[in-house]
Amino acid sequence: NAGVTQTPKFQVLKTGQSMTLQCAQDMNHEYMSWYRQDPGMGLRLIHYSVGAGITDQGEVPNGYNVSRSTTEDFPLRLLSAAPSQTSVYFCASSYRRNPYEQYFGPGTRLTVT
Amino acid sequence: TQLLEQSPQFLSIQEGENLTVYCNSSSVFSSLQWYRQEPGEGPVLLVTVVTGGEVKKLKRLTFQFGDARKDSSLHITAAQPGDTGLYLCADEGGSEKLVFGKGTKLTVNP
Repeated sequence: NAGVTQTPKFQVLKTGQSMTLQCAQDMNHEYMSWYRQDPGMGLRLIHYSVGAGITDQGEVPNGYNVSRSTTEDFPLRLLSAAPSQTSVYFCASSYRRNPYEQYFGPGTRLTVT
Repeated sequence: TQLLEQSPQFLSIQEGENLTVYCNSSSVFSSLQWYRQEPGEGPVLLVTVVTGGEVKKLKRLTFQFGDARKDSSLHITAAQPGDTGLYLCADEGGSEKLVFGKGTKLTVNP
């Protein structure tokens, strides 16, 4: 099993550009989520999904879109990049049952200039 | 909204020393998870604790859940440089939205 994979590993964008961060898992997990990690802020939930076709907002959803057309994939779209979106982004997955033990991908380091 | 507070924020110790880090919640935990994150990588689950008063051991790591299920601690015995990393606690809180603490950054010097 590859687990949770994320691409790209690094990305530099100019303000106003759009892009999609890819996330895939091969563990047949129902629950998938996106987090951003900033210095001193811990991990903050952006969006999550409890199954194909179902998504919901987390703590910091503004400026990001998601969709879940398959169980395996959960892409994160930045609509119009802003310097405030410079961060490290992690995708995670788990079974949809307590305690939601998360398996994380390796992360994408995004810089917006 | 549930808040998880972790302390200390930073900890730098010498190899062989013992240490304890803490996680406190503004509300009762649903099920508390501890993760370790090494530089440049994603967090990795260490343990899940569910029952008040529960104690779990993972080699030199001892995890304890408070009786009232609002606090937890992680104790490391005889720390090694390989224990260096960011230790995060997290709880689902019954909302299907995981909340993470800001973490304790541990450095173990050889």
